[in-house]
Amino acid sequence: QKEVEQNSGPLSVPEGAIASLNCTYSDRGSQSFFWYRQYSGKSPELIMSIYSNGDKEDGRFTAQLNKASQYVSLLIRDSQPSDSATYLCAVNPSGGYQKVTFGTGTKLQVIP
Amino acid sequence: GAVVSQHPSRVICKSGTSVKIECRSLDFQATTMFWYRQFPKQSLMLMATSNEGSKATYEQGVEKDKFLINHASLTLSTLTVTSAHPEDSSFYICSASRLQTTSGSREQYFGPGTRLTVT
Repeated sequence: QKEVEQNSGPLSVPEGAIASLNCTYSDRGSQSFFWYRQYSGKSPELIMSIYSNGDKEDGRFTAQLNKASQYVSLLIRDSQPSDSATYLCAVNPSGGYQKVTFGTGTKLQVIP
Repeated sequence: GAVVSQHPSRVICKSGTSVKIECRSLDFQATTMFWYRQFPKQSLMLMATSNEGSKATYEQGVEKDKFLINHASLTLSTLTVTSAHPEDSSFYICSASRLQTTSGSREQYFGPGTRLTVT
């Protein structure tokens, strides 16, 4: 079983719609959760971090965490073509101190 | 804040030569930095964890004598690919760990990456 799982996609949404990206993790003791965006040929960029159950909103982005279900998601409202990228979920496992485990990423395509 | 630079951004070298890549945290101190490698259309692969003032910790399958890591200061880590071969051609990305004061957690910020081509 992979430690951090994501659907590889591609996930296609029309411009202006809500994109929903999902991630599950295996280590129940995990404490920190991150979403990165990676454009093709570029390095990852941190867009959201979440540490407690519930929702965290930042602009058009909302991260949702459910530790009981070991599930974290990212919602992108009013999706734009510039949001087309691969979104990486990252989890800091318990005892892992600073090292995080990355999922393989979900490719998002926003269709104009 | 949380800017990480990498140099060079792109390098082409001949087989058998060595290449050094620098990673700097520009506006924060990073006791820990990480080195990743990413092949086209594949996911990030962690190569090693670099700790300031101590030896790096390499992931399983990564040759520590081939990929030399030095973390000489709180803002600089270097990766040297020794005796490079064409199969070492890849996108090398560093990240630096920064303490997020409000949560007490650490967040990783990535450099822009170095594209290495070995001919």
